[in-house]
Amino acid sequence: GAGVSQTPSNKVTEKGKYVELRCDPISGHTALYWYRQSLGQGPEFLIYFQGTGAADDSGLPNDRFFAVRPEGSVSTLKIQRTERGDSAVYLCASSLMSGDNEQFFGPGTRLTVL
Amino acid sequence: RKEVEQDPGPFNVPEGATVAFNCTYSNSASQSFFWYRQDCRKEPKLLMSVYSSGNEDGRFTAQLNRASQYISLLIRDSKLSDSATYLCVVIALDYKLSFGAGTTVTVRA
Repeated sequence: GAGVSQTPSNKVTEKGKYVELRCDPISGHTALYWYRQSLGQGPEFLIYFQGTGAADDSGLPNDRFFAVRPEGSVSTLKIQRTERGDSAVYLCASSLMSGDNEQFFGPGTRLTVL
Repeated sequence: RKEVEQDPGPFNVPEGATVAFNCTYSNSASQSFFWYRQDCRKEPKLLMSVYSSGNEDGRFTAQLNRASQYISLLIRDSKLSDSATYLCVVIALDYKLSFGAGTTVTVRA
């Protein structure tokens, strides 16, 4: 079946602009996660959804970052007033249920803030 | 101190060689351990889980040492296709993956 998909694959924006990154998890997966990977680093946890609710948003760096998952499937990560330091690959992952250790990752969105 | 630390490498080895590397983790309450593989500009993919008793999957062997808080990965009979970055992953809570920065392995012909 289809894996996790993310759109866009690449996004270039200017400092101060607003961006939205979309994640389509594997069908039937209730748990969804966002990570951010900077060059030369491993992915860093941002936020975790179980169903529609954000169960843990402790990894969001500041209040410019927000994510939603209104129907318990597709999720959108929103970044306001982008800064150059936000440039990274944003990875989405899903798993069948909370506590299921295997998380399946999407290909990521490469965000570049000029 | 980072939660998970790895030797970044790179480890450059000839085909057929054995290569091994470790990672250390700081949270003694960590429950689950994994190795993920990440190819250049691709997403991470689960390579194998790491069990307390140690485990093998083909040419790959993983070990866990809870007392010293480190995990190891050994690759035997290296193939060109093993060239990748290997990410050490630790879970303290049941969903939050903590990644190391990765160890780069390059297998040359």
